[in-house]
Amino acid sequence: EAGVTQFPSHSVIEKGQTVTLRCDPISGHDNLYWYRRVMGKEIKFLLHFVKESKQDESGMPNNRFLAERTGGTYSTLKVQPAELEDSGVYFCASSQTSRGPQETQYFGPGTRLLVL
Amino acid sequence: AQSVTQLDSQVPVFEEAPVELRCNYSSSVSVYLFWYVQYPNQGLQLLLKYLSGSTLVKGINGFEAEFNKSQTSFHLRKPSVHISDTAEYFCAVSRSNDYKLSFGAGTTVTVRA
Repeated sequence: EAGVTQFPSHSVIEKGQTVTLRCDPISGHDNLYWYRRVMGKEIKFLLHFVKESKQDESGMPNNRFLAERTGGTYSTLKVQPAELEDSGVYFCASSQTSRGPQETQYFGPGTRLLVL
Repeated sequence: AQSVTQLDSQVPVFEEAPVELRCNYSSSVSVYLFWYVQYPNQGLQLLLKYLSGSTLVKGINGFEAEFNKSQTSFHLRKPSVHISDTAEYFCAVSRSNDYKLSFGAGTTVTVRA
């Protein structure tokens, strides 16, 4: 069974440009999460989808970040325009629904974003 | 909101020696507790989790952790480490009615021969 996949693995862009990150969750997982780790600090929650709906977006830093999950399968996270402080590793995770928060979140390898 | 403190950022250890990684959390409500490991160039992998019941939790690769409610701790241990245990380890907490995980800053374990 394929795990959570993320694309690209690395991205280097200039300040002011746009970047779109993609996450493909484990097949059948309705829950999809985005997290971010900036400059060796803690991994921080960004948002949580249940199928195509945003369940919790309390961690989104500002309106330059837009997450979508059309059709309830893969998700994209767009940063527009990117700023220097957006550099970091963006992780996606997915989980099943049956036992709610008790379910294990399975993480992808992350996308390393560097904004110059 | 809950917070997670991993007391050691770097832990060097010799092969076959024991290791303990410390994790403390603060929360006013019931929580679930997790330890994840990130090997170089890989994603986070769950080592073990505490949901309820026995406070001693056994995980993969010979790791175990003990939940101590009075001390709000969830320390991770392994009696004998291998070179392959070199990785970064993250403690995480979620409220029992909430999906989002709060992570500690991570502990890098380096195992030397």
